Amino acid sequence: EDKVVQSPLSLVVHEGDTVTLNCSYEVTNFRSLLWYKQEKKAPTFLFMLTSSGIEKKSGRLSSILDKKELFSILNITATQTGDSAIYLCSTAGGTSYGKLTFGQGTILTVHP
Amino acid sequence: DADVTQTPRNRITKTGKRIMLECSQTKGHDRMYWYRQDPGLGLRLIYYSFDVKDINKGEISDGYSVSRQAQAKFSLSLESAIPNQTALYFCATSDPGLAGVEAQYFGPGTRLTVL
Repeated sequence: EDKVVQSPLSLVVHEGDTVTLNCSYEVTNFRSLLWYKQEKKAPTFLFMLTSSGIEKKSGRLSSILDKKELFSILNITATQTGDSAIYLCSTAGGTSYGKLTFGQGTILTVHP
Repeated sequence: DADVTQTPRNRITKTGKRIMLECSQTKGHDRMYWYRQDPGLGLRLIYYSFDVKDINKGEISDGYSVSRQAQAKFSLSLESAIPNQTALYFCATSDPGLAGVEAQYFGPGTRLTVL
């Protein structure tokens, strides 16, 4: 059974801090790892990672995948209150294309 | 207009009632999914459909059924609701894109409370 584990489960920081969110996985026939941000309601897509060592970047957010050690990190620099959200890590793998397995999520709270 | 819509957005019902949650999309995607979200458990897949004639069970399908009425519509039914089905329900869609590599796009969610 595929498994995705995120840590920490919750994190409280102040504006301007840098945070690192972790995601480890055990997936048969791994194809990709995806990060989502969930504010209030619907998760919104952030990054898709398929290759080791290649950083994906969008503004203050960046992510990298290590397929040898089976983990990914999501970094957020110079955090803002608008970064407060649940960050979900998911993986695509197995024999059924299209299915994602999600981790529990990390709840990030950024105080002014 | 939103690409993925869900109705209703909130619903309170009683144990034993039949409930239908509806999902519509204008993204033109073939693949549609239903998830539930509970605190501390992330998103868990209930059912998914890769086209109108294809329906598959996810990891927690017991107590649920689905209907794919058209490419754009995928509904989830709770035949006889029970309190532990109280949760936030999401519909999602995806498009095959690169083989086996695809992002899913989520609707706004339906908060269901079963008393």
